[in-house]
Amino acid sequence: AQTVTQSQPEMSVQEAETVTLSCTYDTSESDYYLFWYKQPPSRQMILVIRQEAYKQQNATENRFSVNFQKAAKSFSLKISDSQLGDAAMYFCAYRSRGGSEKLVFGKGMKLTVNP
Amino acid sequence: GAGVSQTPSNKVTEKGKYVELRCDPISGHTALYWYRQSLGQGPEFLIYFQGTGAADDSGLPNDRFFAVRPEGSVSTLKIQRTERGDSAVYLCASSLIGTGGSGELFFGEGSRLTVL
Repeated sequence: AQTVTQSQPEMSVQEAETVTLSCTYDTSESDYYLFWYKQPPSRQMILVIRQEAYKQQNATENRFSVNFQKAAKSFSLKISDSQLGDAAMYFCAYRSRGGSEKLVFGKGMKLTVNP
Repeated sequence: GAGVSQTPSNKVTEKGKYVELRCDPISGHTALYWYRQSLGQGPEFLIYFQGTGAADDSGLPNDRFFAVRPEGSVSTLKIQRTERGDSAVYLCASSLIGTGGSGELFFGEGSRLTVL
């Protein structure tokens, strides 16, 4: 079974600075998807960024980018120019490419942005 | 509505009671998912529907939990003989692409269940 580990329960960053959130995963599969989701106090999970394992190029979405290291099974999220609205819980998630559509989530990390 | 709608937003019940949680997905989304999020944890998969049928119910913890989606749209998660350990936020999500794609999941705001 696949597992996702987020070892840092909390982090803080100053507004306008850069922060990196770490995630590792375990799988025997070669083709899969990785995701970062944001969960504000409203509880609604919002997709931040997605990476397809067969793509070597790291995904980027505006101020958000990932460092995907397939061999190391590492998938970190970098947030540049942090904004107060970035404060939330962040979850790393894994999904197989074929078969079940289920997402496997990590335990999450609470990000605080200080003004 | 424009997004995934879940009702009730909050539900408090007593141990042993029966509970129904409703999810109204985005119109046209064929795939629907239920997750359970306990305090301090990430969401855990419960069940996945493709249309009216449950394509994967491997996450349902026991036979007290059941979910239906009779017309391929609205889904109801049913919990019988509730226990205190069932207290959690129950999240619903839907997507346009079900099988094989990387279709984005759109989540609702969840139903917080508290069992006293």
